Amino acid sequence: GEDVEQSLFLSVREGDSSVINCTYTDSSSTYLYWYKQEPGAGLQLLTYIFSNMDMKQDQRLTVLLNKKDKHLSLRIADTQTGDSAIYFCAENPPGTYKYIFGTGTRLKVLA
Amino acid sequence: SAVISQKPSRDICQRGTSLTIQCQVDSQVTMMFWYRQQPGQSLTLIATANQGSEATYESGFVIDKFPISRPNLTFSTLTVSNMSPEDSSIYLCSVEERPGGFYGYTFGSGTRLTVV
Repeated sequence: GEDVEQSLFLSVREGDSSVINCTYTDSSSTYLYWYKQEPGAGLQLLTYIFSNMDMKQDQRLTVLLNKKDKHLSLRIADTQTGDSAIYFCAENPPGTYKYIFGTGTRLKVLA
Repeated sequence: SAVISQKPSRDICQRGTSLTIQCQVDSQVTMMFWYRQQPGQSLTLIATANQGSEATYESGFVIDKFPISRPNLTFSTLTVSNMSPEDSSIYLCSVEERPGGFYGYTFGSGTRLTVV
């Protein structure tokens, strides 16, 4: 099927690490993305990973890719209250401009 | 990255009426996309708008319900026609950017539509 799956909710304490998981559908997707949606706002591209990479680090963000299991994760170190948002993973299957978005994970950071 | 302005940011509309959403980009782009995000759900692509040609609609979306204009390389409109409460959603405009060969989407801030 075409469902990109994510857990719906995650709650962490401020200063802890957050790990948001995603299972995607097409093992030949070239790029995989993480987007952030704050309340009342559009989507902001956080980071992406190319399919030939296992890991990508960008400041507090670490993306891990397991192509064999079609599993993508986003780790946020030292999570802050400003990180509270909905996080969407997305894949771009080859041969199409279309992105398939996950269901979104609502991250709540407790002070 | 491109800056996208969407108008209106929100609206409350009566059923049976139509609303036109505008999307303005600060640079010329070939492809513009319109997405719908229903309450508590993920994003669904409505259609792709290329300048100078008719929009390409995804399965489940038709031109009579969601007419799209793309008069130039920086502007597009999406109309939600003959609205019903089921059309209550966030509508997002998006463009594809390729800085340095990377393919990524940039999104506008969205239009939150409530149909009563």
